[in-house]
Amino acid sequence: QVQLVQSGSELKKPGASVRVSCKASGYTFSEYSMNWVRQAPGQGLEWVGWINTNTGNPTYAQGFTGRFVFSLDTSVTMAYLQISSLEAEDTAVYYCVRNKGYWGQGTLVTVSS
Amino acid sequence: QAVVSQEPSLTVSPGGTVTLTCDSSAGAVTSGHNPYWFQQKPGQAPRTLIYDTTNKYSWTPARFSGSLLGGRAALTLSGAQPEDEADYYCLLSYSGAWVFGGGTKLTVL
Repeated sequence: QVQLVQSGSELKKPGASVRVSCKASGYTFSEYSMNWVRQAPGQGLEWVGWINTNTGNPTYAQGFTGRFVFSLDTSVTMAYLQISSLEAEDTAVYYCVRNKGYWGQGTLVTVSS
Repeated sequence: QAVVSQEPSLTVSPGGTVTLTCDSSAGAVTSGHNPYWFQQKPGQAPRTLIYDTTNKYSWTPARFSGSLLGGRAALTLSGAQPEDEADYYCLLSYSGAWVFGGGTKLTVL
């Protein structure tokens, strides 16, 4: 069965970087794109962007260019979201979401001094 | 960028029927927007109920159905159960760019 397992919670200071990982299993990794979605505390869902798991080409939503970077390691069917120069406003749960609606369990990133 | 709108809150009686809708500021919602519907309960990750307008997963309760209704995407819940109390989000795709609705808080009361 399709599974997306994400890395654990992170506590970071402002200005630091974080990398969230998403391990995919149960399907052919390169056949489905991977999206990233953010949910700030008490807020709705916000699309961060997606990466083509066949070509590695990323697409970022408005407002998520520059500090957000998607990457892949297809040898281990992993997708990554790296966020640099963290700000308090980046505090949120980040989800990887496979095309056709399979969700990871979410990774809480807390940015606090 | 288009704005996707949902009812902020709805209430349904146990056993009752309710329809949640998903509207696009860019015009009528069509199957080309690949509408999705997600259910999220407190402290949990969202769970996809409907994809590509009408398609269900094995875990989607039969009482949920998706459709297009009057230029909007719709999620109908027939025979509401207490466990259906949750936040519901729709998603529309605009040439591959995802836009989420603001969510509907559904109360079963």
